[in-house]
Amino acid sequence: DIVLTQSPGTLSLSPGEGATLSCRSSRSISNTYLAWYQQIPGQAPRLLIYGASNRATGIPDRFSGSGSGTDFTLTIARLEPEDFGMYFCQHCGGSLWTFGQGTKVEVK
Amino acid sequence: DVQLVESGGALVQPGGSLRIPCEASGFRFSDYSMNWVRQAPGKGLEWLSYTDNAERYIFYADSVKGRFTISRDNAKNSLYLQMNSLRADDTAVYYCARVRNYYASGSSVYYFYMDVWGKGTTVTVSS
Repeated sequence: DIVLTQSPGTLSLSPGEGATLSCRSSRSISNTYLAWYQQIPGQAPRLLIYGASNRATGIPDRFSGSGSGTDFTLTIARLEPEDFGMYFCQHCGGSLWTFGQGTKVEVK
Repeated sequence: DVQLVESGGALVQPGGSLRIPCEASGFRFSDYSMNWVRQAPGKGLEWLSYTDNAERYIFYADSVKGRFTISRDNAKNSLYLQMNSLRADDTAVYYCARVRNYYASGSSVYYFYMDVWGKGTTVTVSS
């Protein structure tokens, strides 16, 4: 089974700074099955990126995704106050869907 | 508006059962595969179960296989999760999510992801 490992566990940053979040897969996966979700405390998850690099509808262009094979990255260009929360990568493997354990982006 | 609404969350005793529905609106429910995902208090997201639009393909996480059953009623625009033999570690917020799977003809690839989520319903298993 695919295991997704996200790093770092916590990012402490100030509004306006950039953030780089990593998601590493235990083996090579197809880009098209890798997605990123944002979860603000008390809210449901929200799709940010699908196919590793495609922004979902309505997602600001300060969010971008990249990567291939086993290493994927979510970049937030300039953090806005509403961006602080949890971020999860996720893989669809046919009969098994897997989430990373999450990265918390907190206010420094 | 495209919307998913879970309901039916409750306090249940260990060993008990519960069925939670997810009602869809604003889109043609019968065209879409669906997932159940949960989140234990203070923890990350855990995928539980998938059904395609006609229940031809159904999958479960090992943690719930044999105890939970996913089903749907396309005429009622509803998805269900039947949970039996509940344990304390099943305590969580349960979300339903719409699966988007489409073929991008320009690049000849399939995409799979969850593009719409409900707000969740809380299930607490405790005596």
